[in-house]
Amino acid sequence: KAGVTQTPRYLIKTRGQQVTLSCSPISGHRSVSWYQQTPGQGLQFLFEYFSETQRNKGNFPGRFSGRQFSNSRSEMNVSTLELGDSALYLCATKRTGGTDTQYFGPGTRLTVL
Amino acid sequence: GQQLNQSPQSMFIQEGEDVSMNCTSSSIFNTWLWYKQEPGEGPVLLIALYKAGELTSNGRLTAQFGITRKDSFLNISASIPSDVGIYFCAGTTSGTYKYIFGTGTRLKVLA
Repeated sequence: KAGVTQTPRYLIKTRGQQVTLSCSPISGHRSVSWYQQTPGQGLQFLFEYFSETQRNKGNFPGRFSGRQFSNSRSEMNVSTLELGDSALYLCATKRTGGTDTQYFGPGTRLTVL
Repeated sequence: GQQLNQSPQSMFIQEGEDVSMNCTSSSIFNTWLWYKQEPGEGPVLLIALYKAGELTSNGRLTAQFGITRKDSFLNISASIPSDVGIYFCAGTTSGTYKYIFGTGTRLKVLA
């Protein structure tokens, strides 16, 4: 079956703009988590959605937000972009919410100029 | 954010050598996962562990869920050049729904 898909794969934006990233989970997966990955900070957890509700949240400012649709697809939005937001944004999905195995998408590479 | 202690941070080895890396946590975990990530790509799941003491293999890779439930180990036997990448561990416990990630082990294989 198809894996986790993320669109777009690459994005270039300028400071102050906003961006929306999309994640489509593996069929049957209802939990979607978002991560930011940078060389200096590693993998940082942003938030997790399950059944259209945000269930976990990391330590990121309110400029980072997300949502999940009834088909489990999720979007992540970053408003008022800053240079430090340049990163690889990864989503990972799992079947339910517990200790299920989590699978990653290929990521969206965001560059803020 | 919270992270696991993963060691070593990096390894340079000769092709054909065996590799060992480990992760330790201050918390007890119910699930351990091991991933490999190549540049510009998302992490790919290698092995999943669900029970203390469990030993699971995937080809030349073998991972173990530590008996204390606070650590996990990954071994790669007879390394080859395509093993190059960053290896991450991740753990979670029931009730939190969130995976905690190690800082990664960067592996380079010299032919």
